Amino acid sequence: EAGVTQSPTHLIKTRGQQATLRCSPISGHTSVYWYQQALGLGLQFLLWYDEGEERNRGNFPPRFSGRQFPNYSSELNVNALELEDSALYLCASRWDRAGSNTEAFFGQGTRLTVV
Amino acid sequence: AQTVTQSQPEMSVQEAETVTLSCTYDTSESDYYLFWYKQPPSRQMILVIRQEAYKQQNATENRFSVNFQKAAKSFSLKISDSQLGDAAMYFCAYVLVGGSEKLVFGKGTKLTVNP
Repeated sequence: EAGVTQSPTHLIKTRGQQATLRCSPISGHTSVYWYQQALGLGLQFLLWYDEGEERNRGNFPPRFSGRQFPNYSSELNVNALELEDSALYLCASRWDRAGSNTEAFFGQGTRLTVV
Repeated sequence: AQTVTQSQPEMSVQEAETVTLSCTYDTSESDYYLFWYKQPPSRQMILVIRQEAYKQQNATENRFSVNFQKAAKSFSLKISDSQLGDAAMYFCAYVLVGGSEKLVFGKGTKLTVNP
């Protein structure tokens, strides 16, 4: 069974540009989480999608946005890139049902570098 | 605010010895799950162990065990018979049952295993 896949693996953009990151969850998983892992800051929660809807978002500006498609894959868009957006962006999927104790499975991340 | 604190940015252990990684968390909820994730240099986040808050018995997975103290909101990870392959960043996390169900992570502890 395929795990969570993220593309691209690496992405280099210049300041002010837009970046699009993609995530395909494990088959059967309906929830997708996005996290930003900047150096020394641990994992910062960005967005959570479930069943095609945004369920929660972290403390990030509106230029961070995303969506979830009918097949549960997800896209993270970052507009007007800033140097401090350089980080590893991790996607995780989970089978989200009330009372379930299923863990989140992570992809290998997209390394975004803004120059 | 929901927070997870890992007070040890770095730890080291001799191969075959035992090491304990600390984690405290802050939530007013009573129903949640706790996790320890491992992130080796390959960047892939891997679940090490999980604990349901309603269970008093500490979880164990082979050489990995936890000391869960609910009243103290403490969730430490013990690694016995440390192996070179255990070297990685370790992240403590929790997720509330119901509600937002976003995973909240600590900043991580970098574990070095010395031969």
